[in-house]
Amino acid sequence: GENVEQHPSTLSVQEGDSAVIKCTYSDSASNYFPWYKQELGKGPQLIIDIRSNVGEKKDQRIAVTLNKTAKHFSLHITETQPEDSAVYFCAASRRSYKLIFGSGTRLLVRP
Amino acid sequence: DAMVIQNPRYQVTQFGKPVTLSCSQTLNHNVMYWYQQKSSQAPKLLFHYYDKDFNNEADTPDNFQSRRPNTSFCFLDIRSPGLGDAAMYLCATSRDHGWMEKLFFGSGTQLSVL
Repeated sequence: GENVEQHPSTLSVQEGDSAVIKCTYSDSASNYFPWYKQELGKGPQLIIDIRSNVGEKKDQRIAVTLNKTAKHFSLHITETQPEDSAVYFCAASRRSYKLIFGSGTRLLVRP
Repeated sequence: DAMVIQNPRYQVTQFGKPVTLSCSQTLNHNVMYWYQQKSSQAPKLLFHYYDKDFNNEADTPDNFQSRRPNTSFCFLDIRSPGLGDAAMYLCATSRDHGWMEKLFFGSGTQLSVL
């Protein structure tokens, strides 16, 4: 069945450094890839998304890249700040309401 | 302003004792979802309502039921909780039922089964 693998499960970086989280999907028909951020005690929030006809998308310090051939996509956070500390989930879907989530990455930004 | 509200934040129940989790939304969205999230795992869709139409995922156990009495409220009923049902339960909404719809999540209810 459909599956999304996410790595690493935990990531610790120094404030100001970059962080990269990678996801691989199994369903080649997947064409929508959102990223959600879950802060402690809160529900996940959409931070950025990308469609399969786009290779890269940026929004200030965050960017997402997509490699359809390899079936993987990545979240890049530059100039990390302590408030970036959270759990990040990638997800994939193919023209439907149903998102298949990765298992999450706990990002810790050390001051 | 809270837009998707889940109550309670923490719920403790006994093995086999029915429990109900609640979710309300102020967004007037058509779709409401229930996800189950076990520790260190991905959120897993249990079912969703598109307006009044109930849509169950194929692998959702019969032990889980849902009710949506009106647009604003949705309930998750676990008829006979087992130890394996201990998890975070996330409610989410979306404006419509299509591709690329943004999900708005509540803060979740952490369910413990003793």
